[in-house]
Amino acid sequence: DTEVTQTPKHLVMGMTNKKSLKCEQHMGHRAMYWYKQKAKKPPELMFVYSYEKLSINESVPSRFSPECPNSSLLNLHLHALQPEDSALYLCASSQNIAVKYQETQYFGPGTRLLVL
Amino acid sequence: GQQVMQIPQYQHVQEGEDFTTYCNSSTTLSNIQWYKQRPGGHPVFLIQLVKSGEVKKQKRLTFQFGEAKKNSSLHITATQTTDVGTYFCAGGRLTSYGKLTFGQGTILTVHP
Repeated sequence: DTEVTQTPKHLVMGMTNKKSLKCEQHMGHRAMYWYKQKAKKPPELMFVYSYEKLSINESVPSRFSPECPNSSLLNLHLHALQPEDSALYLCASSQNIAVKYQETQYFGPGTRLLVL
Repeated sequence: GQQVMQIPQYQHVQEGEDFTTYCNSSTTLSNIQWYKQRPGGHPVFLIQLVKSGEVKKQKRLTFQFGEAKKNSSLHITATQTTDVGTYFCAGGRLTSYGKLTFGQGTILTVHP
């Protein structure tokens, strides 16, 4: 099973709403990632978790709050978002965070978020 | 900052023509990975190159990693309509741990 699943597929929210994005993998991977992708742009790294601990935060605004409840699950809690936060949010996982070179990342299908 | 430049941004080809996309890094990379994203889809891993001068082939796709480990290319021979999508290179560095630096991507359109 090389699948990363994400829910919901689509999400529309107002600027005052609180919502959460969910990601799950059952490949035994110990590193999980959140990316943001705008149309016709590459994925932008937001957060990296390694062994359920936050390893990298790419200076993401606090209205995005990640959580890794266990090694298979990754959440992204959203609060007071802005219209410019509308994007495709991708979750990815990899075997680990290697020191020598980066592991292959397996991406989920993403959540298409629209902030009104 | 650390950058990976990718060209061209767009490429339109007739089915059967060849296609090449190039990536160039400002610093030495520990490895480079290539991903394909179909329209409306998500990035899918194609290959990873680690060694200087490495060349790998997957059917009609040929991937190269430069001798200095600063550039890479993806060449598709005799494109097919199924090759449509955006091709991203993503470079890793020894000190970057989990972080990949993505190129801007090349959007490939194949006309039948």
